[in-house]
Amino acid sequence: QSVLTQPPSVSGAPGQRVTISCIGSSSNLGAGFDVHWYQHLPEKAPKLLIYGNNDRPSGVPDRFSGSKSGTSASLAITGLQAEDEADYYCQSYDSSLSNMVFGGGTKLTVL
Amino acid sequence: VQLVQSEAEMKQPGSSVKVSCEASGGTFKSNTVNWVRQTPGQGLEWVGGFIRVSGTPNYAQKFRGRVTITADESTSTGYLELRSLKSEDTAIYYCATRVGATTILGSWGQGTMVTVSS
Repeated sequence: QSVLTQPPSVSGAPGQRVTISCIGSSSNLGAGFDVHWYQHLPEKAPKLLIYGNNDRPSGVPDRFSGSKSGTSASLAITGLQAEDEADYYCQSYDSSLSNMVFGGGTKLTVL
Repeated sequence: VQLVQSEAEMKQPGSSVKVSCEASGGTFKSNTVNWVRQTPGQGLEWVGGFIRVSGTPNYAQKFRGRVTITADESTSTGYLELRSLKSEDTAIYYCATRVGATTILGSWGQGTMVTVSS
C-alpha cells in the first residue's frame, strides 16, 4: 500500500490528452511538500519529468505539465505519442514517516 | 551528474550485498545520495538516503536495522549495504542524487540487479 495513491493504468489514443492523479494526505502533499514526477521506461533508469509540482527540466517537452492542490496532484500529457508509453510515478516527502515516498505507479498505454 | 553503478549480484539468503554508485561529470555531494528499488512486477520504493542537507541518512522503516547507506566525496561514490538478505530483496536497486536542499531526485544510476536465491 503506497503512501501516495495513483491509478494503476491509464490509456489514450495518439494525439489525445491523459491525466494521472496522485492522492496524498496531510503529512505529505497536504503539508505543502512538493510533488515530483518520473517517467520510467522498461530497462531504463527513471527520469525526472516534473519537479516542484509544475516545473519541467530542460529537454522535457511542454506536452507534459503538472499541478497540485491540497492533498492531490496530477500529471497531464497532451498530444500523446507512442514514445510516451511508460510507467509514471509521483514522489514527495512525508513528515510523519520522515521518508521520501512514491506513488504506486501508473502504466500509460498509447492505443 | 552521471551515476554509474556496480554490476549485477547473485547472493544467498542470509548474506549481505554492497552496491556502489560512482558519480562523474559534476559536483558530487555525499549528503545527496539516495537508493530506490523496484522488485519484480512492482513499483519504485525508497530504501533510504540523505534527505536533509546535514545529518545522517534516513531509512525506510522496513529496512531499518539491516541497511547502511554511506558516501565518500573523495571518490565521488555512494554505497548501499543490505544485510540478512531474503528472496523478497530480489530487485533492481537504483542510486539517485537529490538536487541541492530539495527532495527532487535529479540524477539516477542505471540500476543494479540483485538476485537472492539459494
